[in-house]
Amino acid sequence: DQQVKQNSPSLSVQEGRISILNCDYTNSMFDYFLWYKKYPAEGPTFLISISSIKDKNEDGRFTVFLNKSAKHLSLHIVPSQPGDSAVYFCAASYNAGNMLTFGGGTRLMVKP
Amino acid sequence: ETGVTQSPTHLIKTRGQQVTLRCSSQSGHNTVSWYQQALGQGPQFIFQYYREEENGRGNFPPRFSGLQFPNYSSELNVNALELDDSALYLCASSRGQENEQFFGPGTRLTVL
Repeated sequence: DQQVKQNSPSLSVQEGRISILNCDYTNSMFDYFLWYKKYPAEGPTFLISISSIKDKNEDGRFTVFLNKSAKHLSLHIVPSQPGDSAVYFCAASYNAGNMLTFGGGTRLMVKP
Repeated sequence: ETGVTQSPTHLIKTRGQQVTLRCSSQSGHNTVSWYQQALGQGPQFIFQYYREEENGRGNFPPRFSGLQFPNYSSELNVNALELDDSALYLCASSRGQENEQFFGPGTRLTVL
């Protein structure tokens, strides 16, 4: 039973355009959501997070949107750069500091 | 500030053997979580240690066990290895009960 799902295994975007990565969850207890980026042979790197009391959080080129009624979050990268090519995981947690539940990941390829 | 480190980088074992993986947490972090990432999937939570006590456990059998030391470093022990234990094992550290967890590069375990 996958509580966090990333339905697109891969996404290809042209450099300079917007990348939108999507994530759905089923557990209404989740109150904190995170996005991680992973390069081959490295551990996941924390990108950006959002609490369930907010619907948007921005950090430079990265913006995360949360739609609690739809149990959906998305990560927007603008403008996309070739160095953004990696696997992106969304993760969720409840009860601060608790375990992270991850989606299956989306491979983003940004073409020059 | 030193990040999360893990050792060894790679390990090959045979079925039935035992293995110990090690993790040093990021400076200032007192919570360590372990995750298993199978090929093509997102990381799955194994367990978490906070101040040397187990503080949550995922759906893994008792042959997966761990320790946290006074300096907050941690070990993951797996007994009676099975072929399905082949995976990338990730350690993540965090400060107290903060949601953001910071990952090490992982240990790639292959069970033959």
